Amino acid sequence: AQSVAQPEDQVNVAEGNPLTVKCTYSVSGNPYLFWYVQYPNRGLQFLLKYITGDNLVKGSYGFEAEFNKSQTSFHLKKPSALVSDSALYFCAVRDAYSSASKIIFGSGTRLSIRP
Amino acid sequence: AAGVIQSPRHLIKEKRETATLKCYPIPRHDTVYWYQQGPGQDPQFLISFYEKMQSDKGSIPDRFSAQQFSDYHSELNMSSLELGDSALYFCASSLEETGAQYFGPGTRLTVT
Repeated sequence: AQSVAQPEDQVNVAEGNPLTVKCTYSVSGNPYLFWYVQYPNRGLQFLLKYITGDNLVKGSYGFEAEFNKSQTSFHLKKPSALVSDSALYFCAVRDAYSSASKIIFGSGTRLSIRP
Repeated sequence: AAGVIQSPRHLIKEKRETATLKCYPIPRHDTVYWYQQGPGQDPQFLISFYEKMQSDKGSIPDRFSAQQFSDYHSELNMSSLELGDSALYFCASSLEETGAQYFGPGTRLTVT
């Protein structure tokens, strides 16, 4: 069985400071990992993915995530937060050998950036 | 770049009525997914289609059905609507081999 956990319901960061949104996962095989962002009343926007290769993945809007196999984590990071980064962030995972529809979403972390 | 298109964006129905939601995937994407997202919840997978054939089924009620047409657009048909069906319904599309799903803006269904 596969699962994904986002341990923080909310993360508060001051503008200009680095931010981290945590995600841990569990899959039986090799993981495909994704981060999505959702603004109010909008659909999920794809940020970045890890399929294979470099553990540090760079995505949209200056975000990056580091795949850590030993810790089964895929934390989302940004060196300098912007107020416009305030949104709901979802981590998602699926086993590399399962169909794409087997993707599992985390419960979401609300990121709030204060000016 | 073209994105996933969903229509309508908002829909208000009464209990026991029917609703049809439409989704137009990104051109050349071969897989379409439907999700339901309740208030404050993560998206719940309903059903997916690959090359116009149903490929997977999630927590879709028997009152709901879906299909994908020859032009790859998909429709989600919902009958005997209940108050609990009020939610955001998202369609997403992907190329199977990349696995990244690209979501549409969603249809907000309100059942009164």
